[in-house]
Amino acid sequence: DAGVIQSPRHEVTEMGQEVTLRCKPISGHDYLFWYRQTMMRGLELLIYFNNNVPIDDSGMPEDRFSAKMPNASFSTLKIQPSEPRDSAVYFCASSLRPTGTGELFFGEGSRLTVL
Amino acid sequence: AQSVTQLDSHVSVSEGTPVLLRCNYSSSYSPSLFWYVQHPNKGLQLLLKYTSAATLVKGINGFEAEFKKSETSFHLTKPSAHMSDAAEYFCVVSSGSARQLTFGSGTQLTVLP
Repeated sequence: DAGVIQSPRHEVTEMGQEVTLRCKPISGHDYLFWYRQTMMRGLELLIYFNNNVPIDDSGMPEDRFSAKMPNASFSTLKIQPSEPRDSAVYFCASSLRPTGTGELFFGEGSRLTVL
Repeated sequence: AQSVTQLDSHVSVSEGTPVLLRCNYSSSYSPSLFWYVQHPNKGLQLLLKYTSAATLVKGINGFEAEFKKSETSFHLTKPSAHMSDAAEYFCVVSSGSARQLTFGSGTQLTVLP
């Protein structure tokens, strides 16, 4: 298996623009997670899905952020409008088992820079 | 509530010498504990996990960690560092009914030739 695939790997945009990050989880994994990593705040869970249904979105910073999982093999994280403070590396991860087992498989991340 | 503290933000060792990365946790319940490694510009990869079985856990690439309940610690060790071990390491705790993961702030390991 190719692992978790994220695109784009790098994105540079201007404040106010819409950003869409994409993720393809490992086939057969029922859980999908979106994390954000910054120097200041470390790794933060934004939202996670189980069988394409959002289970916990309490980590989503504000209404500018939205995430969808239309099918088992695709998820998006959208920021509209983007702001400089959204600059971070966004990771998608998938898992066969619930979050508590800790066995997450991470993608290589999408590095977002908002100017 | 749960939390995890990685006691060193940076550790530097010479190639061939032992590695010790320290982690303390706090949890109201019996925790599960994990170590992840992140190489530059890569995603995180699971190194090893403790889930209430044997207290000494062996992971990939020669790493191991010992769960010490009395000390609330889960330190990561390796007998002999290799250049390829240079990376950032995260200690992670999971406990309670929600079983969410809490990540430590990370320890950057540098291996000197």
